Amino acid sequence: DIQMTQSPSTLSASVGDRVTITCRASQSISNWLAWYQQKPGKAPKLLIYKASTLENGVPSRFSGSGSGTEFTLTISSLQPDDFATYYCQQYNTYSSFGQGTKLEIK
Amino acid sequence: EVQLVESGGGLVQPGRSLRLSCAASEFTFSNYGMNWVRQAPGKGLEWVSYISSTSTTIYYADSVKGRFTLSRDNARKSLYLQMNSLRAEDTAVYYCTTGSSGFTYWGQGTLVTVSS
Repeated sequence: DIQMTQSPSTLSASVGDRVTITCRASQSISNWLAWYQQKPGKAPKLLIYKASTLENGVPSRFSGSGSGTEFTLTISSLQPDDFATYYCQQYNTYSSFGQGTKLEIK
Repeated sequence: EVQLVESGGGLVQPGRSLRLSCAASEFTFSNYGMNWVRQAPGKGLEWVSYISSTSTTIYYADSVKGRFTLSRDNARKSLYLQMNSLRAEDTAVYYCTTGSSGFTYWGQGTLVTVSS
């Protein structure tokens, strides 16, 4: 099975900050990686697929990069609505998620 | 607008069974592979199972293999998850989800609580 490891687990930041979340796969997954945002009590929302393709309607301050085993999600200028938990997901072989990164207000 | 509506959750004793359903609307259900993803209280997301559009391919997470069975009825636009030999660690919100690349569409989830 492919293990996905996110870092950090928690990130404290302020409105306007640029933040980066990292996701590592235990083996190569090419670019079959997605990023999700989840808020309490809600279903996850797809932000990025194929490592770097922005889902329709997602603000351009979100971007993704990487291939193989190392991936990043960057938010260029944090907005109040962005404080949430973020998950990476591989869908190269079956599927598996990272453990999540909680983005908190500093 | 695509809709996925889960049902069938509830409180069940350890070792017993439960069947979850997911009703789809406003998209061509028969063209899409479907998944279940679960989330234990206060925990992260865990992929559970996948079924291809024609039911020819089905995958399960190791944690549920041999206990859960996934099926679908394309005529009824419905997805089913038969859960047997339930354990306390199966307690979670179960989401029905699909997409072409990544999981674009999600239901609201149904809570399964396994407890005596």
